[in-house]
Formats: sequence, C-alpha cells, structure tokens
Amino acid sequence: GDSVTQMEGPVTLSEEAFLTINCTYTATGYPSLFWYVQYPGEGLQLLLKATKADDKGSNKGFEATYRKETTSFHLEKGSVQVSDSAVYFCALSDPRKTSYDKVIFGPGTSLSVIP
Amino acid sequence: DAGVIQSPRHEVTEMGQEVTLRCKPISGHNSLFWYRQTMMRGLELLIYFNNNVPIDDSGMPEDRFSAKMPNASFSTLKIQPSEPRDSAVYFCASSEGYSVYNEQFFGPGTRLTVL
Repeated sequence: GDSVTQMEGPVTLSEEAFLTINCTYTATGYPSLFWYVQYPGEGLQLLLKATKADDKGSNKGFEATYRKETTSFHLEKGSVQVSDSAVYFCALSDPRKTSYDKVIFGPGTSLSVIP
Repeated sequence: DAGVIQSPRHEVTEMGQEVTLRCKPISGHNSLFWYRQTMMRGLELLIYFNNNVPIDDSGMPEDRFSAKMPNASFSTLKIQPSEPRDSAVYFCASSEGYSVYNEQFFGPGTRLTVL
C-alpha cells in the first residue's frame, strides 16, 4: 500500500542554518503531497501542499517540490528560526484511489533550533 | 471560526474506567477523523466519518473502542474499559471532504493517561 518515509530525527540546528528534511513516498497512483507541522502542545496544521508533479508548495519560508521521478517531497528552508522548532510530518493522499480524503502520515521529524 | 474543539484537554483515569473524548468539527466540514498519537506508533487513523456516517473504522484497535457522530457538529470516542496501553494523545480533525486538496484541520488533542 501507499506509504511515506522521512529522515529520522531529532534534527538540531543553529538559528539561520539551512534546513532539509527528506521525504520519500510509495504510491501506485498520483497522490497529493503535504507537509504538516506540529508545534509543542498543539495539533497538526498544514504547512504546504503540492497536488501534481513538479508543483512547488511554499509557506512561511518553507518550500517543497513534488518530484515524481524520485518519488520525493523534501522540505527546505533557507534560514531557520527558533520558532520553527516543531515536529514535521510528510503526508500523502490519493482520494481517487481510496474514494475519500484519507491522509497517510509519515512518522514525523523533530526539529530543534537553538539560538 | 474557532477551529476544531476537543474536550477534555487532559484526562487521567484508572484502568477499567470508561473514558469519553469529545470533538466539535469546524462548521460546514463534512468529514471527521479520529487519530491516536504515541511515541511508539506515531499518528494512527482510528476512524473516519463522512456526513455523520462511519466510512472506515479499520483503525479502531479493538472492541473496547467505539465512536459516534450523532450530528454534524459533534462526535465522541469512547474507551470502555480503559487500559494503560491506551495512554496517548487523541486528535480529532475535520475537512471539507472529497477534495483533492484534502486539508485536514486538527484540534489541540486530548492527552489521556490511564493508570
């Protein structure tokens, strides 16, 4: 079945460092891809999304490009801030396959940014 | 909109007791999801409702778990009897449903501790 794999954490970076969190997926169809973020003590919230190959999702300085040839959706940010400390989840959904908007989440990658 | 509302935020109970978690989805959303999050298993989908009807309950761990959605603005997840291994954070999420964008809006979660 469909699945999502993420790089293991925790990731610790200094403020203003460059961030990459790797995400690869397995899917037989043409899923939509997402990054969700979970700040401490809160629920998940959508960070960005891409619905077809070569689409680039972006929000709050974060970017990810839907690469069908490598089945990847890596999250990047050029200069992280302490406020970016959170857990990041890569996810996919293919409602055309499951007939409803079921989202498959990766295991999450914890990011800590130190001043 | 106030977002997805969950209650209680924290629940501590003893093994064998009945636990009821509550969720109010965002008004106008017709899909509702219950998730469980633990360190060991990550984020697991327990059950999905669409238009108040349970569509997929394959993630419900066993008969001790039950969920209802009596109307479009309220859902409950009940555990009876509770066990220590049920300790987790339980999230409710809602979405507009049947959309290729599939953004799910999460509540803040209920942290359940079963002693």
